[in-house]
Amino acid sequence: EPEVTQTPSHQVTQMGQEVILRCVPISNHLYFYWYRQILGQKVEFLVSFYNNEISEKSEIFDDQFSVERPDGSNFTLKIRSTKLEDSAMYFCASEGDSHLDEQYFGPGTRLTVT
Amino acid sequence: GQNIDQPTEMTATEGAIVQINCTYQTSGFNGLFWYQQHAGEAPTFLSYNVLDGLEEKGRFSSFLSRSKGYSYLLLKELQMKDSASYLCAVRAGDYKLSFGAGTTVTVRA
Repeated sequence: EPEVTQTPSHQVTQMGQEVILRCVPISNHLYFYWYRQILGQKVEFLVSFYNNEISEKSEIFDDQFSVERPDGSNFTLKIRSTKLEDSAMYFCASEGDSHLDEQYFGPGTRLTVT
Repeated sequence: GQNIDQPTEMTATEGAIVQINCTYQTSGFNGLFWYQQHAGEAPTFLSYNVLDGLEEKGRFSSFLSRSKGYSYLLLKELQMKDSASYLCAVRAGDYKLSFGAGTTVTVRA
């Protein structure tokens, strides 16, 4: 069964450093998402991406964040200058072209900012 | 924004039935989803309702009333492996899912 994959599974970085989280969505999917979940809190939407551009973003997704689909398969989330409060689990999700279907979540990247 | 409420915790016995309620307030409703999440893992899809009524999928069923802004997830014949957090999520508009805080279900022998 096709699945969304994410790398790395765990990333530790120092405050102020840049991190790039990588995702490979399901191959025939067209809609891509990043969500985050701070430990013990709810899953929060960050950004959606369709047709090579951002379609919607939340207040969390400020100028420190960016997304890219550089080569038609990878979907990346970059945080330019990490803060302590960026420590969370980051989930990538993808969705098929019917757009009335479930969003398939990847296993997540646990980001720890020290 | 969306306001999504669900109970924090529920406990039930193996073999029993548990019903998890979810109420929401949103504009531009475009579907309600239930996900299961085990600790430290990703959410996995359980069910999707966009029209009123009951959707049944094996031991899991989900109900939606759009006029009442209400849904429930019914888990039947509970097994120990069903101990997890159950997330109610609403799609309003075209893209994002807005999640509730989740209901932690503990199944006891």
